[in-house]
Amino acid sequence: SAVISQKPSRDICQRGTSLTIQCQVDSQVTMMFWYRQQPGQSLTLIATANQGSEATYESGFVIDKFPISRPNLTFSTLTVSNMSPEDSSIYLCSVVWQSYEQYFGPGTRLTVT
Amino acid sequence: AQTVTQSQPEMSVQEAETVTLSCTYDTSENNYYLFWYKQPPSRQMILVIRQEAYKQQNATENRFSVNFQKAAKSFSLKISDSQLGDTAMYFCAFMNPGSQGNLIFGKGTKLSVKP
Repeated sequence: SAVISQKPSRDICQRGTSLTIQCQVDSQVTMMFWYRQQPGQSLTLIATANQGSEATYESGFVIDKFPISRPNLTFSTLTVSNMSPEDSSIYLCSVVWQSYEQYFGPGTRLTVT
Repeated sequence: AQTVTQSQPEMSVQEAETVTLSCTYDTSENNYYLFWYKQPPSRQMILVIRQEAYKQQNATENRFSVNFQKAAKSFSLKISDSQLGDTAMYFCAFMNPGSQGNLIFGKGTKLSVKP
């Protein structure tokens, strides 16, 4: 399986600011994914990030709010822009490995005050 | 659109006993994958078990096994010999291979294992 790390593990931010979350994988992968998990809720896909192309966003998520970079096959960033308290969530990155198994990073817990 | 339903928000089980978590899904696809993930309080999502829809044999991983009923669109998880470390949120998830890996999750079941 792939080993995935995320930075930061948690942060407390003021409304109106932006936070960039980093995701690092120990192997080269084609697709990386970003999910949001709101408090007490399940996971919702934000976007799919392929190296060398624009990220594909799910309904309800837009690039201006959640810009994503994918500069190489082992790294991606997600920025949460102009934050409001409603953005307080856990943000997780994931990768698809063999046989469609998807592995997740440890998550970033974001609190917006 | 595919949907995943977990009808048990919370469950509890005594240590060493067996518990079954329910999951149903809705899809018009014939080829797909189903997963159970575990999320302990540490929030790390851990893949527990995977089932390919074209395989009739139920998947098994040590103390974890599934009962996959394709016609009924049911995918339950059985945990045998429950341990305190099994305490976690359990999410059922569906993937259509054509979706490039988009996992659709149920709302989760909070499992508490009591000593």
